[in-house]
Amino acid sequence: DARVTQTPRHKVTEMGQEVTMRCQPILGHNTVFWYRQTMMQGLELLAYFRNRAPLDDSGMPKDRFSAEMPDATLATLKIQPSEPRDSAVYFCASGDPGTSGSRYRETQYFGPGTRLLVL
Amino acid sequence: AQKITQTQPGMFVQEKEAVTLDCTYDTSDQSYGLFWYKQPSSGEMIFLIYQGSYDEQNATEGRYSLNFQKARKSANLVISASQLGDSAMYFCATSDSSYKLIFGSGTRLLVRP
Repeated sequence: DARVTQTPRHKVTEMGQEVTMRCQPILGHNTVFWYRQTMMQGLELLAYFRNRAPLDDSGMPKDRFSAEMPDATLATLKIQPSEPRDSAVYFCASGDPGTSGSRYRETQYFGPGTRLLVL
Repeated sequence: AQKITQTQPGMFVQEKEAVTLDCTYDTSDQSYGLFWYKQPSSGEMIFLIYQGSYDEQNATEGRYSLNFQKARKSANLVISASQLGDSAMYFCATSDSSYKLIFGSGTRLLVRP
């Protein structure tokens, strides 16, 4: 049963520290997404990649967030320096266009999330 | 810009009964997809069902069906024979040609025994 994996599952850190979250997409999926979920804002798209190339990172605070995909099996989201307002659950998802290959049919499968608390 | 509206913050349903969760969408695209996800208290996001804008038949997946009314721009999720394990947050989302999903604010469903 193929799944998206994320590490760490939980992270508690102090303000100013660097946080790195990792994601392993489902093998064969070409699109990888990073979302942030908070009670106030709901689910927000931060960035996404297609065939490892960044397509859109307009949802990310550029001064402190960075997202990369060094290879097809690893996506990273880094926060440096972290702030208390970054406390949230961060989800990674990978997209499966299905047999039709249509982008409208691309189903996103989510990882379990990283629950981040910045003190 | 696309938008998803879920007007029911919370709903109750009796076990074994059917329930409909509302979702309306706003898009100027001719082609788009509509998705429903379930988020139980454990936090993971679980894909439930997909409907394409040009699909003529309403999508069904087991106890889940999507009541798609294109003219009304609605994509309601129907859960038949509710089970206690269906208690969760449910999110409606839409996609466009940019691969992005736009999510609604969600509906919390509580199934009563």
